[in-house]
Amino acid sequence: DTEVTQTPKHLVMGMTNKKSLKCEQHMGHRAMYWYKQKAKKPPELMFVYSYEKLSINESVPSRFSPECPNSSLLNLHLHALQPEDSALYLCASSPGQWQGGYGYTFGSGTRLTVV
Amino acid sequence: GNSVTQMEGPVTLSEEAFLTINCTYTATGYPSLFWYVQYPGEGLQLLLKATKADDKGSNKGFEATYRKETTSFHLEKGSVQVSDSAVYFCALIPGGSYIPTFGRGTSLIVHP
Repeated sequence: DTEVTQTPKHLVMGMTNKKSLKCEQHMGHRAMYWYKQKAKKPPELMFVYSYEKLSINESVPSRFSPECPNSSLLNLHLHALQPEDSALYLCASSPGQWQGGYGYTFGSGTRLTVV
Repeated sequence: GNSVTQMEGPVTLSEEAFLTINCTYTATGYPSLFWYVQYPGEGLQLLLKATKADDKGSNKGFEATYRKETTSFHLEKGSVQVSDSAVYFCALIPGGSYIPTFGRGTSLIVHP
C-alpha cells in the first residue's frame, strides 16, 4: 500500500460547526504532515508529527487542532473557522524525520469551504 | 535562507512539443531536489527527485539533472501530451532536514 488516504474529499461547514479531517497511511512512515493550499499557490506547512509526537506547529491558529492517535492516523479537528480558511487541506507522510531525501507521499486532499 | 525560484506560467504548448520548466534554488549545504506534479482537483505527486550533484531524476518521460554549479534543476520532457496538463512544483529539502521549500508552481497547458 503506497497511498495516503484522506476523508472526506469535500467538506462545507458553517463558522460555528465542529468537524474533523482524517488521514491514513499504511506505508510504515513515521512522519506525517498537514498542509494548507490556496488556489494557485504552493502548499503551506501547518503541522508535523514525528513518531506520533507534534514536532512542528507553524503558528497555526488554535481553531485548527491536530491529533495523531497512532502511527497510521492523523486527524485535523476544526472549530469556529473563518471563510478565509477555505482551502485544500493536504496530508502527507515520509519515512522519517531525518530522511528528507525520499520525498513525501501526499493524499488527494480535502476541499474545505467555510460558509 | 532556502528558496526555490520557478518560471512564471502558464506555459502553453501544443501536443508533442518539447517542454522545459526552469527551476533554480538557494540553499545551504547539499539539498535534495524534487519535482512534484498536481493534476486538477488532486494532491501533489512526487514526479522525480535527485539527491546529489549530477544525479538525473527521471519518470514518465520527464527528467531533471541536479546542477550544483548553476544551482538548477530544470524539468524537461521531449514530447508532451494533453494529459501532462497540470501544475508542476519544484522543491528542495536541505541536508539534515525533512521539511521542503516549494517553488511557486508552474502551470502547464497542453493543447491537442
